[in-house]
Amino acid sequence: NAGVTQTPKFRILKIGQSMTLQCTQDMNHNYMYWYRQDPGMGLKLIYYSVGAGITDKGEVPNGYNVSRSTTEDFPLRLELAAPSQTSVYFCASFPNSNQPQHFGDGTRLSIL
Amino acid sequence: GIQVEQSPPDLILQEGANSTLRCNFSDSVNNLQWFHQNPWGQLINLFYIPSGTKQNGRLSATTVATERYSLLYISSSQTTDSGVYFCAVEPIGGNQFYFGTGTSLTVIP
Repeated sequence: NAGVTQTPKFRILKIGQSMTLQCTQDMNHNYMYWYRQDPGMGLKLIYYSVGAGITDKGEVPNGYNVSRSTTEDFPLRLELAAPSQTSVYFCASFPNSNQPQHFGDGTRLSIL
Repeated sequence: GIQVEQSPPDLILQEGANSTLRCNFSDSVNNLQWFHQNPWGQLINLFYIPSGTKQNGRLSATTVATERYSLLYISSSQTTDSGVYFCAVEPIGGNQFYFGTGTSLTVIP
C-alpha cells in the first residue's frame, strides 16, 4: 500500500493562476479531507468528503473547490491563486469517523 | 466553532526526561486524536482517544471527556520525539476536525 499520495510536493504560482493539488489513497477509505497549515499554526479544514459524490465545506473553504468522483481521488482546485493561499496543504483519509486519520506528506505552495 | 487550546506551547527536555502535554476543548466531542509532526513536516497519528486511557510504548494518552481535556504523556524522551504535537477534535454532530496550535517539543541529547 502506498497510503495517501499527494502531488506535487512543491509548487510556485503567480497571482491569478490556477492549479489542482492531487490526492490519491489506495486504502479504500470513505473519508478524505483537505487541510492547510500556515507557519506556526495548526491545521485548518478546507473541504472534506465522506464518500464518492459527497463533498462539504470545512472551516476555510473560500477560494477552493473539490470533487470526489471516485473513492480513491480527492483533488483540490485553486481557481485564482492569491498570496493568502501560500501554505502547506495536507490530504488525509480514514475509513470512518471512529478511525485515525492517515496523512499524505503535504504540498508546499507559494504564491508570488 | 469549538476552541482547542494546547499547553505548553513550547517545551525543551533533556533526553530521558518525562513530559505531559495538555489539550483543552470547549465543547463535547465525538472524536479526539493526537498527532506528531516530525521535523520534516510529516504527520503521524499517535492515538485515537475520545475517552479513557491508551498506551503505546513510551507514549500514553488520557481523555476525560466530561471535563473536556486530554493529556499526552511522553516517558523517557528521546531526540526522535522532537517535533510538534497536535490534538484534533471532532465536535458532536459534525464531521469537521479542529486542531489546536500545537506543542513544540525539543529533546536535547
